[in-house]
Amino acid sequence: GQNIDQPTEMTATEGAIVQINCTYQTSGFNGLFWYQQHAGEAPTFLSYNVLDGLEEKGRFSSFLSRSKGYSYLLLKELQMKDSASYLCAVRDTDYKLSFGAGTTVTVRA
Amino acid sequence: ETGVTQTPRHLVMGMTNKKSLKCEQHLGHNAMYWYKQSAKKPLELMFVYNFKEQTENNSVPSRFSPECPNSSHLFLHLHTLQPEDSALYLCASSQDEGSGSHEQYFGPGTRLTVT
Repeated sequence: GQNIDQPTEMTATEGAIVQINCTYQTSGFNGLFWYQQHAGEAPTFLSYNVLDGLEEKGRFSSFLSRSKGYSYLLLKELQMKDSASYLCAVRDTDYKLSFGAGTTVTVRA
Repeated sequence: ETGVTQTPRHLVMGMTNKKSLKCEQHLGHNAMYWYKQSAKKPLELMFVYNFKEQTENNSVPSRFSPECPNSSHLFLHLHTLQPEDSALYLCASSQDEGSGSHEQYFGPGTRLTVT
């Protein structure tokens, strides 16, 4: 099984940077995903890491350390529209996704 | 229609009712999933179908019954539900159930309330 931990809430100012950490303990590992979910909407895919290191995609970057069971999602140049819940999900060797409870990010003007 | 659609978007049902949730994907994917999302809890995987074959039943009570008639459609049949089953039910699809960056695409969900 999987045990995935991420902070419940974070608040930041428009234009700032926020880092959302995710730690996991798994019986098998086959990739880590980050999703964004606005209130009342479907989760949408943000990033995928399977090897150690940093993946950059515009204002969003995701980092993975498999030996530490650790990932983070970095959001730069925050905009009001980035206010949402961010879900960390780990895929196991049976290709099943297990999700964390999500981190609600509030961006203030 | 594009992406993943779900109907109905909202459903209120009594504990003795029978209802069905419908999911349709227009992405040409081969894997489809049902998840349950309760407030402040992680998404819970319920069922997985890969090439129309069920590959996962994650200890879900028998009052939930999935059906996958083809790779584009997925149903969740509901009967004699309990109030604690009230939640957002999300459908998702992916290219297949395999390795690689085969991200899942989610539908908007059905908000279910059991009275």
